[in-house]
Amino acid sequence: AQSVTQPDIHITVSEGASLELRCNYSYGATPYLFWYVQSPGQGLQLLLKYFSGDTLVQGIKGFEAEFKRSQSSFNLRKPSVHWSDAAEYFCAVGGGGSNYKLTFGKGTLLTVNP
Amino acid sequence: KAGVTQTPRYLIKTRGQQVTLSCSPISGHRSVSWYQQTPGQGLQFLFEYFSETQRNKGNFPGRFSGRQFSNSRSEMNVSTLELGDSALYLCASSPPGLADTGELFFGEGSRLTVL
Repeated sequence: AQSVTQPDIHITVSEGASLELRCNYSYGATPYLFWYVQSPGQGLQLLLKYFSGDTLVQGIKGFEAEFKRSQSSFNLRKPSVHWSDAAEYFCAVGGGGSNYKLTFGKGTLLTVNP
Repeated sequence: KAGVTQTPRYLIKTRGQQVTLSCSPISGHRSVSWYQQTPGQGLQFLFEYFSETQRNKGNFPGRFSGRQFSNSRSEMNVSTLELGDSALYLCASSPPGLADTGELFFGEGSRLTVL
């Protein structure tokens, strides 16, 4: 069964500081990996995705993530956080084939201090 | 291009009632998925439809059902509502070729409160 672990429930950073959100997954084959962001009262927006190829993927809003197969990780990074980045971030794994579903982590709530 | 549209956005029901939620996918998207989001359980997969066929179903009781119409619009129904059904119900669609990867475009959700 596929699963996703986001070890950090809540992270607080100062504006301008760097950010790394952790994600570990469990899946029996090559996974499709995603990071989504959710602002209060909103749906989820796709930040970036990894299907295959280059293990460092770039997304929207200056985010990037690195797939490390040996560590079963897909951590999200941003070099300089903006106050507008405050939101909840979800890592997800998709199984492909006839799975047709995403399994999400519990999310990491990001607070940005001025 | 319009995004995924969900109606109603907010609704309040009482225990024992039933509710129907509607979702219009992005034009051209034929795969529609539903997820339940609660503070305790997080985001959980309910079901996925493609061309009016349910291709996968999550681990929810039979009170949760859905369907998809020929125009790809989808509805989900919850019968005999329980307090624990209070949640944000999110609909998402996928474009052709990406449905099997899991890449989803989400609506803003329908917030259901059961009293």
